[in-house]
Amino acid sequence: NAGVMQNPRHLVRRRGQEARLRCSPMKGHSHVYWYRQLPEEGLKFMVYLQKENIIDESGMPKERFSAEFPKEGPSILRIQQVVRGDSAAYFCASSPAGSSEKLFFGSGTQLSVL
Amino acid sequence: QQQVKQSPQSLIVQKGGISIINCAYENTAFDYFPWYQQFPGKGPALLIAIRPDVSEKKEGRFTISFNKSAKQFSLHIMDSQPGDSATYFCAASDSGAGSYQLTFGKGTKLSVIP
Repeated sequence: NAGVMQNPRHLVRRRGQEARLRCSPMKGHSHVYWYRQLPEEGLKFMVYLQKENIIDESGMPKERFSAEFPKEGPSILRIQQVVRGDSAAYFCASSPAGSSEKLFFGSGTQLSVL
Repeated sequence: QQQVKQSPQSLIVQKGGISIINCAYENTAFDYFPWYQQFPGKGPALLIAIRPDVSEKKEGRFTISFNKSAKQFSLHIMDSQPGDSATYFCAASDSGAGSYQLTFGKGTKLSVIP
């Protein structure tokens, strides 16, 4: 049973470009959470999604950031017009139901903005 | 506002010694307190967790001590091994909030030396 799969592992973008981060949850999991980790910091919650629904996006910046979890396919975190401050590790977690107790994290995508 | 404060930032322990990491929280609505272990290049993995109805939980060499009145909890690693060298994060969540987001501490980098 494959774990949470994130790709790409590393992503390099120039300022102003778009970044798309993908997350395939564990088999049987229909709830996805995105977290961002800055250097020397803990993880910060960004958004919680179920299939085709955004449940809580209170941690996501209002501009340039968006997330989706379509009926088919992976969850996507999209960052438009990236800036240097977006450089961070982005982690996706999944759970079989809405819960903070059964979270499984992926290995993350390291985004570097030049 | 940092809702979960973690200390120390880094810790060096000799093999066989006891590693102790402390966390304090502010939000009295928090009712779930997990500890995560993260190795370089990997996502966090759940290590052990506690709810406030108990003051201590032990799993193998890992123990959580919880003090509800002081709003503090700690992780003790007995007989620390070089393989325990990793970054440890405490976290907390309010299961009544509906979003299941975890609030993380900033992490403790543990190095266990032979």
